[in-house]
Amino acid sequence: KQEVTQIPAALSVPEGENLVLNCSFTDSAIYNLQWFRQDPGKGLTSLLLIQSSQREQTSGRLNASLDKSSGRSTLYIAASQPGDSATYLCAVSGANSKLTFGKGITLSVRP
Amino acid sequence: DAGVIQSPRHEVTEMGQEVTLRCKPISGHNSLFWYRQTMMRGLELLIYFNNNVPIDDSGMPEDRFSAKMPNASFSTLKIQPSEPRDSAVYFCASSRLAGGPYNEQFFGPGTRLTVL
Repeated sequence: KQEVTQIPAALSVPEGENLVLNCSFTDSAIYNLQWFRQDPGKGLTSLLLIQSSQREQTSGRLNASLDKSSGRSTLYIAASQPGDSATYLCAVSGANSKLTFGKGITLSVRP
Repeated sequence: DAGVIQSPRHEVTEMGQEVTLRCKPISGHNSLFWYRQTMMRGLELLIYFNNNVPIDDSGMPEDRFSAKMPNASFSTLKIQPSEPRDSAVYFCASSRLAGGPYNEQFFGPGTRLTVL
C-alpha cells in the first residue's frame, strides 16, 4: 500500500528566504507526482505535475524535483513571500490513477 | 473555463437525514473523482469514474455512501442516513482521462458537511 509522508507538518520562515519542502513515498511504481496548494477553507490548486519519466518541473518561483528510485520529491520555493503561506500537499498517482496524498506541510512566511 | 463546480458549499444537517452533494466537472474531462478530507485522515479517495462508469469504489466507507454519474457533466455523492462521523470536507476533482501518466487532477472548492 502506497504511503506518502511530508515532514515537518509545519514550517515558519522569514520573507525572502528560499525553502525546500520534502515529500517521500514508499512505492516507486508511480505514474506521476503532483504538488498542490491549499489555502484555509479552500480547495486544492495544482502547482506542478511531474511525470515518472521526468526529473523536475518549474513554474515561476517554484521548482519540483522527483527521484523515483529513492521515493523522494522536493518543492523548492525561491524568494518566499507572505502570499506563499498555505498548506502544500504532495500526491502520487499509480496505474490505477488513485492519488495518494501526504498530510501536507503548513507554511507560514513572516513579513 | 469555470473549473470544477460543487454545490452546496456548506451543508449542515441532522443525523439520519439524507445528504446529496453535487459536482460538475470541467468540460472535456472524462474522469471524475470524489475525495473526503478530515483532520485525522487527511485526503482520501472515495470513488472515481471514467467516461461516467464507476471504476473503483473501494474507498467508499459504507453502504450508506453512494455515487452516480448519469452524464459527462454531472455527478452526485449521496449519504443516507448521515452520521456525525461523516462530517468532513468533500472534494470533487476531474481530469482528462485517468490511467495515463499525465492525468493532472483539478479540484473543486469542496463542500463542508456538518452532521449534528
